[in-house]
Amino acid sequence: DSGVTQTPKHLITATGQRVTLRCSPRSGDLSVYWYQQSLDQGLQFLIQYYNGEERAKGNILERFSAQQFPDLHSELNLSSLELGDSALYFCASSPLPRPEQFFGPGTRLTVL
Amino acid sequence: GQQLNQSPQSMFIQEGEDVSMNCTSSSIFNTWLWYKQDPGEGPVLLIALYKAGELTSNGRLTAQFGITRKDSFLNISASIPSDVGIYFCAGLGINAGGTSYGKLTFGQGTILTVHP
Repeated sequence: DSGVTQTPKHLITATGQRVTLRCSPRSGDLSVYWYQQSLDQGLQFLIQYYNGEERAKGNILERFSAQQFPDLHSELNLSSLELGDSALYFCASSPLPRPEQFFGPGTRLTVL
Repeated sequence: GQQLNQSPQSMFIQEGEDVSMNCTSSSIFNTWLWYKQDPGEGPVLLIALYKAGELTSNGRLTAQFGITRKDSFLNISASIPSDVGIYFCAGLGINAGGTSYGKLTFGQGTILTVHP
């Protein structure tokens, strides 16, 4: 158990819908990262937040957004969902300045 | 952008054999991390490497940070059935200012199968 929690574990929805994925980092970690894992693209970095502020951005689609709240939990919002958005979404946290990232169990999103 | 080439893509070995896998990049990384992922689970951190040339062990696992900072190696000795899974290398990049930032770039993974 990494100490990072993610909910829900599974999510099934339809095209065009909007979903919210939630992540709670390890106790004391200020930095949260979101990754997408699909069969054809592998693990791809989406976005990083540090203490509530956006720190780095990957190839995150404009339909996707994220935020980190004062209690340090983070939410990833995916809207206008397409079939190709079906993937595993992982949250990770790190005790910056140490670079190690610890991953949560993931949310499996299925878009039908 | 930064890309990591991880090889081999898959390995089928007998229990007790040693395993080697590696990652190479066209870009320099400040940190190399090795993760193991079981089906349906999140990646679990195995080893972290911080300096060029560093050699670090974690039980039967040994990893090295290449001198050029563009590659890393992971060795598993005396493999056992529970070593089965997907192994990923990940590099932590540097920004234009030369400092680390949070984006991990992952290799494509090495699928390890261990036959008893």
